[in-house]
Amino acid sequence: EPEVTQTPSHQVTQMGQEVILRCVPISNHLYFYWYRQILGQKVEFLVSFYNNEISEKSEIFDDQFSVERPDGSNFTLKIRSTKLEDSAMYFCARDWTENYGYTFGSGTRLTVV
Amino acid sequence: DQQVKQNSPSLSVQEGRISILNCDYTNSMFDYFLWYKKYPAEGPTFLISISSIKDKNEDGRFTVFLNKSAKHLSLHIVPSQPGDSAVYFCAASGGNTGKLIFGQGTTLQVKP
Repeated sequence: EPEVTQTPSHQVTQMGQEVILRCVPISNHLYFYWYRQILGQKVEFLVSFYNNEISEKSEIFDDQFSVERPDGSNFTLKIRSTKLEDSAMYFCARDWTENYGYTFGSGTRLTVV
Repeated sequence: DQQVKQNSPSLSVQEGRISILNCDYTNSMFDYFLWYKKYPAEGPTFLISISSIKDKNEDGRFTVFLNKSAKHLSLHIVPSQPGDSAVYFCAASGGNTGKLIFGQGTTLQVKP
């Protein structure tokens, strides 16, 4: 099964700091997604990214969030000024295939202190 | 606005028996449904999917049933194994958007 790799696996940051979560390496995919799961809650859609542009975003994805594909393979999620409530597991996903649905990465656990 | 609901937070079954996990949805625009399995601190793992043009899809021990009129789908696992113990999420997509709307999840425990 095609893999989606995320780094780091765990990030601890102080409130107000910027964090960058990475989804690497990705090739030959056009659609990418970011989701998050706050502890004990359901997985929530954040943003979809198609052909180097945001195609859809949720109300969670406010001005503090941004996504980029800076070098054509890595796919990043940046949170400019983290808040305590940003603490969650963040998952990158690649576009749908018939055999594997939407494939999710192993996630980055973000802890804001 | 819970468009996808899994009303049972947990389910416990005996090894070898059938596990039935249920999911309800409200948005008639959904045309594709998926089930994911998730362990703590890992990403969701795709299990099985079904298009709205079908009412059943089977893959090994896993079968998904879709009842469009009732806006209900279910995942059957037969026979259940202890390794199936995990959180199971139902998800739906549709309306020319690739985003998935997830249910709250059901924790399945299969006892040896």
